[in-house]
Order: sequence, then structure tokens, then C-alpha cells
Amino acid sequence: KNQVEQSPQSLIILEGKNCTLQCNYTVSPFSNLRWYKQDTGRGPVSLTIMTFSENTKSNGRYTATLDADTKQSSLHITASQLSDSASYICVVSGSSGYALNFGKGTSLLVTP
Amino acid sequence: GAVVSQHPSWVICKSGTSVKIECRSLDFQATTMFWYRQFPKQSLMLMATSNEGSKATYEQGVEKDKFLINHASLTLSTLTVTSAHPEDSSFYICSATRQNTIYFGEGSWLTVV
Repeated sequence: KNQVEQSPQSLIILEGKNCTLQCNYTVSPFSNLRWYKQDTGRGPVSLTIMTFSENTKSNGRYTATLDADTKQSSLHITASQLSDSASYICVVSGSSGYALNFGKGTSLLVTP
Repeated sequence: GAVVSQHPSWVICKSGTSVKIECRSLDFQATTMFWYRQFPKQSLMLMATSNEGSKATYEQGVEKDKFLINHASLTLSTLTVTSAHPEDSSFYICSATRQNTIYFGEGSWLTVV
């Protein structure tokens, strides 16, 4: 069964610190992996999307990595801000692009 | 087990008919649920926010009269695609949040023929 596991489930960090979120998946065949940010009470917002051939992709202070061999991805947040407090969702698509496999998300809280 | 359930998983309907998709939170109350759609090889797109006991909030470009949302109870939101056309064929998914964790439904594939 295709699965996407995210860790940690929740994380609290101080403003200005860096953090890394993990996403491991068993989806096969693989099409792409997306990271979403979802603020409380709002819909998810796409941060990055990576295909098989991409190892790293950045979006401002967000940097996602992908190791398709080990089926692992990480989302690194640099110099965290209070506005980074949100849930971060990893979504992996199968080869057709139709099949979406969602992680349950990591809840990040950035404190002053 | 599933926390957010969608039904049906697959539906095929004739052009011009209406189709209802249900989204249920199984063991918690959800005052807010979200409806998304995804076209082939495209990213997830938020359609609307379903609010229990009040009108849904639609994203720009989403027709309210086309996609009727009813959130009549704390555990059920429904999306009705009215007068469906082939271009409405898509993957529809809902989500709900419990204790800061996002739970998505399994999704519903709609094919309009």
C-alpha cells in the first residue's frame, strides 16, 4: 500500500532557528512530491514540487530535498519566523499524476 | 483507520446531471472542512471552505451555483456538482483539521460522460 509518513508530528522552535521536517514514502511508481503549508483555518498552499530527477528545490527560506532512491524528502526552514507556524503536508503522486498520497502533516509552532 | 471519509470513491455520471459527494469526519466534529480538486498532473487546488451552519466561502473563479456546498452538521459536508459537464471530470478531495493535524478524505473521482 502506498504510504507517506511525516515526522515529527509536531514541533516547537524558537523564532530565528532552523528546522527540518521529514517525509518518507513507499509510493511506487513515483511521479512527484509536493510540500504544502497550511495555516490554521485556511487551505494548503504549495511550497515546492519535485520530480524524480530533482534533488533540491528552494522557495525563499524553504528548501526541499528529495532522495528518490531511499524515498525520503525533507523540508528545511531557515531563520524561522512566527508566520511559519502552520501545518506542513507532504503529498506524493504516483506515476499517472492522479493518485495522491498524503502525509498527515507536521504541525510547526514558532515561538518568540 | 480513516478519520475523514469521502463517498463515493468513484462516480460516473451523464452530462447534465448532478452528483453529490459526501465528506464525513468520523470521530470528531469539524466546524470547517475544505474541498479541493485536482486535474491530471496538476497541484491540489482549493475550491471552497465549508463552514458548519453558514455559507461556504468560495475561492476566486469557483462558481457557487455550480458547486453547491452544504455543511449541515458538524460531521458532514457535501459537495454537489450541478449540471455536470465533461470538463468537471476531476479528482475531488476534502480535508478537516483535528488537533492541528490535517486529515484528508480518500478523494472522489468524478467522470462526466
